[in-house]
Amino acid sequence: AQSVTQLDSQVPVFEEAPVELRCNYSSSVSVYLFWYVQYPNQGLQLLLKYLSGSTLVKGINGFEAEFNKSQTSFHLRKPSVHISDTAEYFCAVSEFSGGSEKLVFGKGTKLTVNP
Amino acid sequence: DGGITQSPKYLFRKEGQNVTLSCEQNLNHDAMYWYRQDPGQGLRLIYYSQIVNDFQKGDIAEGYSVSREKKESFPLTVTSAQKNPTAFYLCASKPRTATNYGYTFGSGTRLTVV
Repeated sequence: AQSVTQLDSQVPVFEEAPVELRCNYSSSVSVYLFWYVQYPNQGLQLLLKYLSGSTLVKGINGFEAEFNKSQTSFHLRKPSVHISDTAEYFCAVSEFSGGSEKLVFGKGTKLTVNP
Repeated sequence: DGGITQSPKYLFRKEGQNVTLSCEQNLNHDAMYWYRQDPGQGLRLIYYSQIVNDFQKGDIAEGYSVSREKKESFPLTVTSAQKNPTAFYLCASKPRTATNYGYTFGSGTRLTVV
């Protein structure tokens, strides 16, 4: 079974600073990888996804992520954060079995952007 | 606009009661999912359904039940057998054949035992 490890449960940063949220996954076979964002008391919104091709993936709100197969990582980055980026971020990997697909999520990283 | 509607937004349950959480989508998606979210635990899969009248247990199905009588609806019942039901519940959907498609999520139901 797939597993996802988000190495930091909380990341505090100052506004306009760069940020990296780390994600490692367990599988060595081809995978689909996703980053989602959740604002308080809301559902999850897709930030970006890696399916194949270029290892640098750009998403919404200025976020990007880099797929590294050798390190089984998919870290999320933003060069300059805003107060409005304060949210919880989830990394996820697709798992396929018996003709079904499901997403396996990490435990999340709470990003707090301080003025 | 198409989307997923979860209701109610807040739900309170007394000890020993069964409660049902509603999830409706008008996206014409085949696959639907229920996740439970607890602080610091991420999202854990309860049940999922790929087509009407078929569903599979996820990682934490004990104490929960589902039905899938219509494509657009996937209600979740939290039974009295679920000993710790207080959590945030999220419903999601996707086209079944699109393996590279990110899920669409509802806005969630917060269930509290009183």
